[in-house]
Amino acid sequence: DTGVSQNPRHKITKRGQNVTFRCDPISEHNRLYWYRQTLGQGPEFLTYFQNEAQLEKSRLLSDRFSAERPKGSFSTLEIQRTEQGDSAMYLCASSFGRPTDTQYFGPGTRLTVL
Amino acid sequence: QQQVKQSPQSLIVQKGGISIINCAYENTAFDYFPWYQQFPGKGPALLIAIRPDVSEKKEGRFTISFNKSAKQFSLHIMDSQPGDSATYFCAPASNSGNTPLVFGKGTRLSVIA
Repeated sequence: DTGVSQNPRHKITKRGQNVTFRCDPISEHNRLYWYRQTLGQGPEFLTYFQNEAQLEKSRLLSDRFSAERPKGSFSTLEIQRTEQGDSAMYLCASSFGRPTDTQYFGPGTRLTVL
Repeated sequence: QQQVKQSPQSLIVQKGGISIINCAYENTAFDYFPWYQQFPGKGPALLIAIRPDVSEKKEGRFTISFNKSAKQFSLHIMDSQPGDSATYFCAPASNSGNTPLVFGKGTRLSVIA
């Protein structure tokens, strides 16, 4: 399967702990996006990379959140000092070309903060 | 997400019926109007999309109708099937300014036999 993969699929952590998620985009896709989806809502944009450069960050991305995409390949999203409000599905998507070219989503990482 | 208003929130349709989901937007810079389909436990997947130079696009049982002046677009699912039961999101975007997809809150469609 050459689609977008995300690991882990599920993560349960205690409040105050740090967590890191990984996204492997479709090979050769230069754009990579992170979204957050809570129950009953649509995905909300968090941040976006073009190759290794982080070009856009939502105001939702507090200073506890950091994302990287070294060498323009896989990406990691780290949340420090997790809070219960961080509980959500974290989705990664990748695309090639223009901002409006098709984004392909991974299955997501479901985070539960106890 | 206030930029995009999607309705209805949920929809129950008989098998073989027509499902209609609407999306209203505010940002006139949007120039790409997709509908995404999401099944439980999966990420969203592009279903069909339209550019503003046409008013309608049909792909199989799925049709997008676009009304630029009203700033609305809709998804029509003809001959709805139980396998269409999913959550549907409109997610307009713009090529200018790297605007990301702006998702609506979603419509949960249930197609019953």
